[in-house]
Amino acid sequence: DAKTTQPPSMDCAEGRAANLPCNHSTISGNEYVYWYRQIHSQGPQYIIHGLKNNETNEMASLIITEDRKSSTLILPHATLRDTAVYYCIVRSSNDYKLSFGAGTTVTVRA
Amino acid sequence: EPEVTQTPSHQVTQMGQEVILRCVPISNHLYFYWYRQILGQKVEFLVSFYNNEISEKSEIFDDQFSVERPDGSNFTLKIRSTKLEDSAMYFCASSAEVENIQYFGAGTRLSVL
Repeated sequence: DAKTTQPPSMDCAEGRAANLPCNHSTISGNEYVYWYRQIHSQGPQYIIHGLKNNETNEMASLIITEDRKSSTLILPHATLRDTAVYYCIVRSSNDYKLSFGAGTTVTVRA
Repeated sequence: EPEVTQTPSHQVTQMGQEVILRCVPISNHLYFYWYRQILGQKVEFLVSFYNNEISEKSEIFDDQFSVERPDGSNFTLKIRSTKLEDSAMYFCASSAEVENIQYFGAGTRLSVL
């Protein structure tokens, strides 16, 4: 019942922007797009979320297409510590659970 | 910055034994969750808890599992009779409201021998 599709892995260079794509073509009008990441086997860490407008915080930017069928998480200046599994999750405001998929394993290389 | 705290970080137990995993959610949060992650697999939702009741549970959360908020600060997950397949990382999370961001603890690694 995966609602999102992400590439299994990607590499990026330290200091460069990392652009992580996510497809969510069946997203409903009341569903938000959330991004979390998991470093090694640590607990998932919240990054950012949005409904339809682009969002930016101290960690990342989230670009959501106008039709809301896809989004991109942007890490503006990737560091080695950004190596992690990144999860794109679609969730409605009255959903209790977060449904994690396999995510994208991002490796930042020096 | 407030955080979710889980203890112990690693629990080793014998098959058939009861275990209790403990969590201290962020202090003003009202919604509490347990997730688990078997090694190499996805993070899976187990249960959500609000106002001293289970609000949602997954198929994984069978009669062997129970949750409790025994006092104003702790939130516990009990597994009555552990099986080998219960070996996993267990993550606690909390949120202020159901629609808000869930913040996760560092997890408890449960090893059932």
